[in-house]
Amino acid sequence: AQSVTQLDSQVPVFEEAPVELRCNYSSSVSVYLFWYVQYPNQGLQLLLKYLSGSTLVKGINGFEAEFNKSQTSFHLRKPSVHISDTAEYFCAVSDSGGYQKVTFGTGTKLQVIP
Amino acid sequence: GAVVSQHPSRVICKSGTSVKIECRSLDFQATTMFWYRQFPKQSLMLMATSNEGSKATYEQGVEKDKFLINHASLTLSTLTVTSAHPEDSSFYICSAPPGGTLMGDTQYFGPGTRLTVL
Repeated sequence: AQSVTQLDSQVPVFEEAPVELRCNYSSSVSVYLFWYVQYPNQGLQLLLKYLSGSTLVKGINGFEAEFNKSQTSFHLRKPSVHISDTAEYFCAVSDSGGYQKVTFGTGTKLQVIP
Repeated sequence: GAVVSQHPSRVICKSGTSVKIECRSLDFQATTMFWYRQFPKQSLMLMATSNEGSKATYEQGVEKDKFLINHASLTLSTLTVTSAHPEDSSFYICSAPPGGTLMGDTQYFGPGTRLTVL
């Protein structure tokens, strides 16, 4: 079984400032890692994913994340945020070895302050 | 990209009634769909896996007789909340991997259905 921890429930940041949203996972097997964004009253949209290969993954809207196996982390970063980035962000993990069930973290609400 | 729709987007019902939520894959076939529940300020919790042409697989603690799932075609799965009670009020989201892919790749999520039971 896997688990995901997002320690920060809310992250306020000023517009054009950098941001890092933290995600740590626990698993006894190899995993795939995902970041999803959820805008108010909408479903989830995939930002980026790590399946294998390069540990630095670039996604949409200028976001990137780095897979760190030794620290079991997959932190999400953006060098300069915009007002439109205000949303809920979910880190997720699935078992890479077989049937895909995705386990989500509790989410981090990113609030961009003008 | 692939699109998954849900209907209705919002539903309010009286306690004791049943509510059906539809999940459709609009431009791809989905032999598998997943149903999640999201309580306020909480994460998505997987409820069940819907399999086209066979019985759904429920996660531990989810009552299969209360949450009836029917995956009647390759583009449609339905979740029926039977005898709904206020504690069933939640945001229900479905997802589907395109092309029947089961191995760790992108899932496409529906926009969700907000259920309020009075």
